[in-house]
Amino acid sequence: EPEVTQTPSHQVTQMGQEVILRCVPISNHLYFYWYRQILGQKVEFLVSFYNNEISEKSEIFDDQFSVERPDGSNFTLKIRSTKLEDSAMYFCASSLNLGAFFGQGTRLTVV
Amino acid sequence: GQQVMQIPQYQHVQEGEDFTTYCNSSTTLSNIQWYKQRPGGHPVFLIQLVKSGEVKKQKRLTFQFGEAKKNSSLHITATQTTDVGTYFCAGQGSGGGADGLTFGKGTHLIIQP
Repeated sequence: EPEVTQTPSHQVTQMGQEVILRCVPISNHLYFYWYRQILGQKVEFLVSFYNNEISEKSEIFDDQFSVERPDGSNFTLKIRSTKLEDSAMYFCASSLNLGAFFGQGTRLTVV
Repeated sequence: GQQVMQIPQYQHVQEGEDFTTYCNSSTTLSNIQWYKQRPGGHPVFLIQLVKSGEVKKQKRLTFQFGEAKKNSSLHITATQTTDVGTYFCAGQGSGGGADGLTFGKGTHLIIQP
């Protein structure tokens, strides 16, 4: 069964460093998303991407964040200068028309 | 912005008892989706409801979408230990798939054998 894959599974970075989280969505899906979940809390929407551009973004998705779909298969989330409060599980998801399919997540720890 | 409230936050049940979680949106939704997340896992899509008043069943799970498309519920009949996890509702706005999902805080289902 097709699945969304994310790498790395765990990333530890120093405050102020840039990180890139990678995702390979399900191949025939059209909509791509990034969400985050701080430990024990709800899933929070960051950004959606459709037709090679951002279709919606939340207040969390400020100038420190950017997304790219560089080659038609990968979908990346970049955080330019990480802060302690960026520590969370980051989920990539993709959708065709019915529900969103989530990857296993990348646990980002900022120290 | 859109807010989705979900209650209860925790529900302890004996195995075999029923379980219900409720979801309310501050705005009318184009659709509502339900997800299950096991401890340490990722959200797994269960179902999407689109029509006003819609009721859908998946084995022991019954999902309802309110007439005003602002509230929803998930009911599990005769819970089993495999039902353990957090159940999230998530609303989607008028943009459909191009819009992100607004998740509720989830209901943690704890089952005592």
